[in-house]
Amino acid sequence: SQKIEQNSEALNIQEGKTATLTCNYTNYSPAYLQWYRQDPGRGPVFLLLIRENEKEKRKERLKVTFDTTLKQSLFHITASQPADSATYLCALESGGSYIPTFGRGTSLIVHP
Amino acid sequence: EAQVTQNPRYLITVTGKKLTVTCSQNMNHEYMSWYRQDPGLGLRQIYYSMNVEVTDKGDVPEGYKVSRKEKRNFPLILESPSPNQTSLYFCASSRAQAYNEQFFGPGTRLTVL
Repeated sequence: SQKIEQNSEALNIQEGKTATLTCNYTNYSPAYLQWYRQDPGRGPVFLLLIRENEKEKRKERLKVTFDTTLKQSLFHITASQPADSATYLCALESGGSYIPTFGRGTSLIVHP
Repeated sequence: EAQVTQNPRYLITVTGKKLTVTCSQNMNHEYMSWYRQDPGLGLRQIYYSMNVEVTDKGDVPEGYKVSRKEKRNFPLILESPSPNQTSLYFCASSRAQAYNEQFFGPGTRLTVL
């Protein structure tokens, strides 16, 4: 069956370090993958999208990689700040399904 | 301000009492969808709409109805709510389809007693 896996354990890091979050998937041929940020009690906010034919995407302190061979996406936040503390969700969709599937998210806690 | 609005934000109701959660977007987006979010299960899509009068089932449509009579509105209807529909609900919209960035509403926390 199709599955998306994100680390269920919270990631604790020190301010200024690089946070790396993982999104693994099985039995998908995703056309693209998205990353969202969600704060407690609020709706997810879109961060980055990467397509199947792209290896890497950057936006300010954020970087996403997409390895379709490993079936994995890595999400990096460089020079992390306490304000980056949130839950980060990955979502993917097989081309044409119109139904994105979200991972359960990984909580990131950045300590000052 | 570009946004997706939902009402009500909080609702406590009883089993079997029909309710509607409204969703409206002001970005002229074609694609709209409803999700529910439950602890340990993540976001799951209930229904989506590609455009006016075009709706289709997502992953968990049982017990829900939707309609898309106008481009900006996409209400979620629970004809006979049950306790297993207690959840946090999000409406989202995007240009064209889910392929694009989705804008989420603030959420509606529903409790069915």
